[in-house]
Amino acid sequence: DTAVSQTPKYLVTQMGNDKSIKCEQNLGHDTMYWYKQDSKKFLKIMFSYNNKELIINETVPNRFSPKSPDKAHLNLHINSLELGDSAVYFCASLGETQYFGPGTRLTVL
Amino acid sequence: GQQVMQIPQYQHVQEGEDFTTYCNSSTTLSNIQWYKQRPGGHPVFLIQLVKSGEVKKQKRLTFQFGEAKKNSSLHITATQTTDVGTYFCAGQKAGTASKLTFGTGTRLQVTL
Repeated sequence: DTAVSQTPKYLVTQMGNDKSIKCEQNLGHDTMYWYKQDSKKFLKIMFSYNNKELIINETVPNRFSPKSPDKAHLNLHINSLELGDSAVYFCASLGETQYFGPGTRLTVL
Repeated sequence: GQQVMQIPQYQHVQEGEDFTTYCNSSTTLSNIQWYKQRPGGHPVFLIQLVKSGEVKKQKRLTFQFGEAKKNSSLHITATQTTDVGTYFCAGQKAGTASKLTFGTGTRLQVTL
């Protein structure tokens, strides 16, 4: 069983569109994250939720809106996609360490 | 804000050679973690260091945490092709229990 899963794995879309990425963890963890990894492999935290409450909100454009319907799920909605949003987005959950999902490669054309 | 830098950015070695990556934080850390990301994969936890001056080993990998808790290193002895990937350190500052700041990463290439 996959501990942290993300859908979709790949997402190709046009500039200006709105898209969502979903994340689910079956580890029973309270805290989940979204990270963005750019083409240079820099991993930057975007958001963190603890038991459905936002606890970390880094300097991210407000086009990005996370939503946590329950503590096992953390989704990321992106409005008005821009070229610079192209990256791999990783979801992670926190137990004794951070467990990462497989990533979603977003390409904005 | 907190910054965590790693050097080198990239290293190419021949199989059997040793490899070291260095991690430096702009602030004192409560602990440091190391992750490995294979090409096309996701970061996978390797180890956590908590105490000043701590040294931990995992087979051919040796991890150190500096005395001032601001730097760390990962040394791989006799690299193998399976060691290929990007190695990240990730620092946690005191009082920020759930936030990790990832280092810039070191990409390791190993050839026969």
